[in-house]
Amino acid sequence: QQQVKQSPQSLIVQKGGISIINCAYENTAFDYFPWYQQFPGKGPALLIAIRPDVSEKKEGRFTISFNKSAKQFSLHIMDSQPGDSATYFCAASPLVTGGGNKLTFGTGTQLKVEL
Amino acid sequence: DAGVTQSPTHLIKTRGQQVTLRCSPKSGHDTVSWYQQALGQGPQFIFQYYEEEERQRGNFPDRFSGHQFPNYSSELNVNALLLGDSALYLCASSLFGGGEKLFFGSGTQLSVL
Repeated sequence: QQQVKQSPQSLIVQKGGISIINCAYENTAFDYFPWYQQFPGKGPALLIAIRPDVSEKKEGRFTISFNKSAKQFSLHIMDSQPGDSATYFCAASPLVTGGGNKLTFGTGTQLKVEL
Repeated sequence: DAGVTQSPTHLIKTRGQQVTLRCSPKSGHDTVSWYQQALGQGPQFIFQYYEEEERQRGNFPDRFSGHQFPNYSSELNVNALLLGDSALYLCASSLFGGGEKLFFGSGTQLSVL
């Protein structure tokens, strides 16, 4: 059973535009919500993460918006650049000592930023 | 400071064979997790090792087993390989109880023919 639904599957954005990727989860035990970026031939790399006690977190051009009541969260990439072209995964895990390692991933969004 | 290293990078096996994949965690990390990433999908959690014991396990059959050594490195073993086991196998390391940040290696691409 898929517990983290991610959309869209693919996204094309013009350079300088805003990329928005959405995720929804079902398991109310989830308490940690990271976003990972993956380039071809590489493992996922942590971009930014949020806990549900805040509704938004910003790091540079990357912002997570979190809606606990709707069980949804999204990644916004401002001023998108060609170097941002990659696959993005949302993920979630429960708050258990060491449990942050048991991530449930979404299916990924392939982002292409065009010049 | 070396990150998470995995070996080999690529591997080709035939159905029914057994395979062992290896992982060295990032310096200072004591916990290793393994994930399977099928083509076009997100990684799926296999299991986590800490203090040389399996601490958590995902929905994978017993054909998947692991080990962690005193130096925190880890192995993933898969027995009786199936065609469906073809995937990228990712190792991730972290500090147990020290936060949720996972650092992933570049993976081992396993092809089962």
